[in-house]
Amino acid sequence: DGGITQSPKYLFRKEGQNVTLSCEQNLNHDAMYWYRQDPGQGLRLIYYSQIVNDFQKGDIAEGYSVSREKKESFPLTVTSAQKNPTAFYLCASMRRAPGDTQYFGPGTRLTVL
Amino acid sequence: GESVGLHLPTLSVQEGDNSIINCAYSNSASDYFIWYKQESGKGPQFIIDIRSNMDKRQGQRVTVLLNKTVKHLSLQIAATQPGDSAVYFCAETSNDYKLSFGAGTTVTVRA
Repeated sequence: DGGITQSPKYLFRKEGQNVTLSCEQNLNHDAMYWYRQDPGQGLRLIYYSQIVNDFQKGDIAEGYSVSREKKESFPLTVTSAQKNPTAFYLCASMRRAPGDTQYFGPGTRLTVL
Repeated sequence: GESVGLHLPTLSVQEGDNSIINCAYSNSASDYFIWYKQESGKGPQFIIDIRSNMDKRQGQRVTVLLNKTVKHLSLQIAATQPGDSAVYFCAETSNDYKLSFGAGTTVTVRA
């Protein structure tokens, strides 16, 4: 996981509530990513940011929002508009340099009751 | 759309044997491929990568093979150990910033 922290590890929320997942990295990476993982499936991209104050929608952005005010932080808000928010959420970061790869945090498991 | 997929969702291997995990991709523009290992409840861990100008790359006990002609990628694990039990994902990209992931192969090592 080295250098990428996600908190909390487990999160429970009631249906209809917004919830914000934290992702912090001290690797001085420019790009940061949020993925969603459902049981038995691969990772699906929610949002990504290549530089501070800029971000782009991924493949499943509906019902989610992000901000990138600082290089080291990329919080994800799961809004009440997300129809099925219960999942494992993974944050990743990467240098903006050819030949580098994405490194992942430990994940946050969100359960909406 | 383009997709990345693994041939088999599960693989059972005897401890000490070699493991081969396969992955097919469809995006002919993909030029960078990565294998990740994910243990239960944890984030994916980088194992090895390969660029499209290479056919083979070796790491510690792992080898990745790339066949661009048939768009096939494989991960070989030598002398599989119990700690190798995990889900293995292949990922590909054509622009170095966005990755596409396969669904994963669950490897179980039998003692």
